[in-house]
Amino acid sequence: NAGVTQTPKFRILKIGQSMTLQCTQDMNHNYMYWYRQDPGMGLKLIYYSVGAGITDKGEVPNGYNVSRSTTEDFPLRLELAAPSQTSVYFCASSRDRVFTQYFGPGTRLTVL
Amino acid sequence: TQLLEQSPQFLSIQEGENLTVYCNSSSVFSSLQWYRQEPGEGPVLLVTVVTGGEVKKLKRLTFQFGDARKDSSLHITAAQPGDTGLYLCAGEGETSGSRLTFGEGTQLTVNP
Repeated sequence: NAGVTQTPKFRILKIGQSMTLQCTQDMNHNYMYWYRQDPGMGLKLIYYSVGAGITDKGEVPNGYNVSRSTTEDFPLRLELAAPSQTSVYFCASSRDRVFTQYFGPGTRLTVL
Repeated sequence: TQLLEQSPQFLSIQEGENLTVYCNSSSVFSSLQWYRQEPGEGPVLLVTVVTGGEVKKLKRLTFQFGDARKDSSLHITAAQPGDTGLYLCAGEGETSGSRLTFGEGTQLTVNP
């Protein structure tokens, strides 16, 4: 099992550009999450999904969009990149709400 | 909004010393998890505590959940350089569904 994979590992965007961060898990987990982590800080929940076709906002959803068409994939879309979105983005999945969250290796995004 | 406050924010100690990290909130949590994160990687779960007063041991690490389920502590005995990392607590609120609230983390450095 690869677990949770994220692509790309690094990306630099210009203000106003768009991009999609990819996340795939091969553990057949129902729950998937997107977090951002700013330097020296904990994780803030952006969006989450409890199953294919179901998504909901987390703590900091503004400027982001998600979709969940399959159990395996949970892409995160940035439509108009802003410097405030410079961060490390982590995708995670879990079998159920009280079980372990397995994290991907992260995508380091810089918006200039 | 449920908040988790971790202390201390930074801790630098010598190999062989003991240490305790605290995670406090004014809110009650159904369960609380501790993660460790190493540079350039995603967090990895260490333990989940679910019962007030629960104590769990993982080799040299001892985790305790407060009786009122509002706080938790992580105690490391005879710290080693391999314990270096960012320690994050994360709580599942009684009404937060499948979402975790993360503390801002304690950066631990154990010097040889």
